[in-house]
Amino acid sequence: AQSVAQPEDQVNVAEGNPLTVKCTYSVSGNPYLFWYVQYPNRGLQFLLKYITGDNLVKGSYGFEAEFNKSQTSFHLKKPSALVSDSALYFCAVRPLSGGYNKLIFGAGTRLAVHP
Amino acid sequence: DGGITQSPKYLFRKEGQNVTLSCEQNLNHDAMYWYRQDPGQGLRLIYYSQIVNDFQKGDIAEGYSVSREKKESFPLTVTSAQKNPTAFYLCASSPLAGGTTDTQYFGPGTRLTVL
Repeated sequence: AQSVAQPEDQVNVAEGNPLTVKCTYSVSGNPYLFWYVQYPNRGLQFLLKYITGDNLVKGSYGFEAEFNKSQTSFHLKKPSALVSDSALYFCAVRPLSGGYNKLIFGAGTRLAVHP
Repeated sequence: DGGITQSPKYLFRKEGQNVTLSCEQNLNHDAMYWYRQDPGQGLRLIYYSQIVNDFQKGDIAEGYSVSREKKESFPLTVTSAQKNPTAFYLCASSPLAGGTTDTQYFGPGTRLTVL
């Protein structure tokens, strides 16, 4: 079965330190990969996506993500965390099969950045 | 949240009632989607529509119905047949129906509570 795993329910980081939010996937072929962020009682905001090309993708608000095909991972990173980065982060995968723009979401990781 | 609006923001329903959630977009997107979000489960697809007057069931369509009479509107009805409707409902849209690289953009959500 196709799935996305975000192994950490919560990640705690001190402000100014680098952060990593992990994502691995189990999807056949070479899927497209997305990260979204959700603030409390709000919709999801698109951060970045990987389609093809350079394995390091840069996105909004200073975030970047590294695609690793051999490890089927797409970890979200930021060199220096801000308190305002505290939110719920979702990894999503778009399988190439299916015939429509289907997204499979992970369960989400809550990021808490402490002053 | 871009050009996607959802109303109401909060909705309370008595058991046995049908309720309709509104989703409107002014992005001229072809495809629209409805997701349900429950704590710790990520997002699950209820229905999607790639073109006016056409829609398809997603992974958890039972107890829900939709219509797509206009390109910009995709209302969701939660019927009394939905046994556990309390959740956060998110509407999304993407530019090109079936486009493999198209990013989905989300509305601000409606929180439905059954009393």
